[in-house]
Amino acid sequence: DQQVKQNSPSLSVQEGRISILNCDYTNSMFDYFLWYKKYPAEGPTFLISISSIKDKNEDGRFTVFLNKSAKHLSLHIVPSQPGDSAVYFCAGRNGNKLVFGAGTILRVKS
Amino acid sequence: DVKVTQSSRYLVKRTGEKVFLECVQDMDHENMFWYRQDPGLGLRLIYFSYDVKMKEKGDIPEGYSVSREKKERFSLILESASTNQTSMYLCAIQGYSTDTQYFGPGTRLTVL
Repeated sequence: DQQVKQNSPSLSVQEGRISILNCDYTNSMFDYFLWYKKYPAEGPTFLISISSIKDKNEDGRFTVFLNKSAKHLSLHIVPSQPGDSAVYFCAGRNGNKLVFGAGTILRVKS
Repeated sequence: DVKVTQSSRYLVKRTGEKVFLECVQDMDHENMFWYRQDPGLGLRLIYFSYDVKMKEKGDIPEGYSVSREKKERFSLILESASTNQTSMYLCAIQGYSTDTQYFGPGTRLTVL
């Protein structure tokens, strides 16, 4: 049973445009959601998070939106840069455990 | 800066061998985690530990064991490696007062 789903395996975006990565979840017990970015042959690095009581969190070019009624969150990257090309994982937190989605490969073309 | 180190970046082992993967942190964080990452499956939790000598099973513990004798060190053990354990293994840490897990660079294990 996949509690966190990232339905788009990959996304291709032109440099300077907006990238929107989506994530759906089924577990209502998640109290926090996190986005991680991963380059090949490296560990994931934390990008941005949002509490389940908020609907938006912004950090520079990155904004995460949470729609709790739809059990949906999205990560917006504006403007997209070639260095943003990586795999993006969303995760829901339940207690001290994180449950990850399968990831979305983002390619930003210059 | 958070520092999580893993003993090897790349490892090749034979079926049936006993394999040790070690993770060391310098942050004095209580919680430590072992995940494996496979294409299309994301990161899946194998085991975690919230204190020295304490451990809990994650979602896919079969074929693995762990050891935490010191706070800064968390080892993942494959008692008898099999080809389906070929994967990227990632260690993570988290303090009680933080919301975020921080990851090591990973170990790419190939079992032949």
